[in-house]
Amino acid sequence: DSGVTQTPKHLITATGQRVTLRCSPRSGDLSVYWYQQSLDQGLQFLIQYYNGEERAKGNILERFSAQQFPDLHSELNLSSLELGDSALYFCASSHDYTSYNEQFFGPGTRLTVL
Amino acid sequence: GQSLEQPSEVTAVEGAIVQINCTYQTSGFYGLSWYQQHDGGAPTFLSYNALDGLEETGRFSSFLSRSDSYGYLLLQELQMKDSASYFCAVQPDSGAGSYQLTFGKGTKLSVIP
Repeated sequence: DSGVTQTPKHLITATGQRVTLRCSPRSGDLSVYWYQQSLDQGLQFLIQYYNGEERAKGNILERFSAQQFPDLHSELNLSSLELGDSALYFCASSHDYTSYNEQFFGPGTRLTVL
Repeated sequence: GQSLEQPSEVTAVEGAIVQINCTYQTSGFYGLSWYQQHDGGAPTFLSYNALDGLEETGRFSSFLSRSDSYGYLLLQELQMKDSASYFCAVQPDSGAGSYQLTFGKGTKLSVIP
């Protein structure tokens, strides 16, 4: 158990819909990273929040957005869903005091868009 | 941008030693990490190299050579439970103070009796 929680575990929805994925970081970690894992693209960095502020953006579509709340949990919002958005979405947390920091991954949310 | 190349599959015998190589192209990075992922599971951290050389953690060792743009993960005394996918990843130095990970495509290791 990494100490990072993600809900829901599975999500099945239809094209055009909007979903919200939730992540709670390990106690004490200020940084939350979101990653998407698909068969064709592998593990890709989407976006990072640090202590409530966006710190870095990766290959995140404009239809996707995220935020981090004062209690440090984070939500990833996916809208106008397409079939190609079906993937495993992980969040990871870390302390980020230095670059020598392991990222602790949550169990993931498996999104299926029908 | 960054790109990392690693073999897609490797098979090794229980009790043996296996090396998984990772070559990369990146303009600058903080360090090279290795993560393990079992089927259906989440990636878990194995090792990190910020400097050239070897880092040893139990049965696992990792090596980095920045001048050769190359690293590897060495797994010794292989066990059946080591069957998993292994990912190398760099932390690009984007100047934003982010330690985001850029992953390779992963190497699926199969350990056979």
